[in-house]
Amino acid sequence: AQRVTQPEKLLSVFKGAPVELKCNYSYSGSPELFWYVQYSRQRLQLLLRHISRESIKGFTADLNKGETSFHLKKPFAQEEDSAMYYCALRGTASKLTFGTGTRLQVTL
Amino acid sequence: DVKVTQSSRYLVKRTGEKVFLECVQDMDHENMFWYRQDPGLGLRLIYFSYDVKMKEKGDIPEGYSVSREKKERFSLILESASTNQTSMYLCASSLQSSTDTQYFGPGTRLTVL
Repeated sequence: AQRVTQPEKLLSVFKGAPVELKCNYSYSGSPELFWYVQYSRQRLQLLLRHISRESIKGFTADLNKGETSFHLKKPFAQEEDSAMYYCALRGTASKLTFGTGTRLQVTL
Repeated sequence: DVKVTQSSRYLVKRTGEKVFLECVQDMDHENMFWYRQDPGLGLRLIYFSYDVKMKEKGDIPEGYSVSREKKERFSLILESASTNQTSMYLCASSLQSSTDTQYFGPGTRLTVL
């Protein structure tokens, strides 16, 4: 079975502070991990995927197979980063398993 | 640009009614998915389809069925709506292979009274 855990429902940080959204997964095979984001009144969209190893909007995420984690990080939070963030795992075929989501709130 | 559209943004139905939620994608994608999104529970997969007339159960198929008669259209059916099916329903599509990105529709907020 595949499972994704996001332990924080809400993360509140000040503008300019570092951000780390936690994601842990459980999967017996070789997983593919994603972060999806949903801004207010917008549709859910892909933010980044571990195989791309890219930085999107200043966010990065590294797959740590030893700790089975895929935490999302940004060194300096911006107001426009406020959104709902979902970690997702693709194990079996095209099926994605999502975590319960973390709402990031960036305040002045 | 991939476009995934859903027939309604908001829908209010009564308990016991049959409900149809429609999803259309315009990018010739093979795969289509239906999720429900609930606070504190995240997104949960209801059904998905790899091809026309093909369907697979997701994690929470009970109380739902689907139809895919044409490649671009994937319908979610609530045979007899119940109050615990009040939720946000999201449709998504992806090209073909297991590495392709899923593109989401805007969602339908269904309220069952």
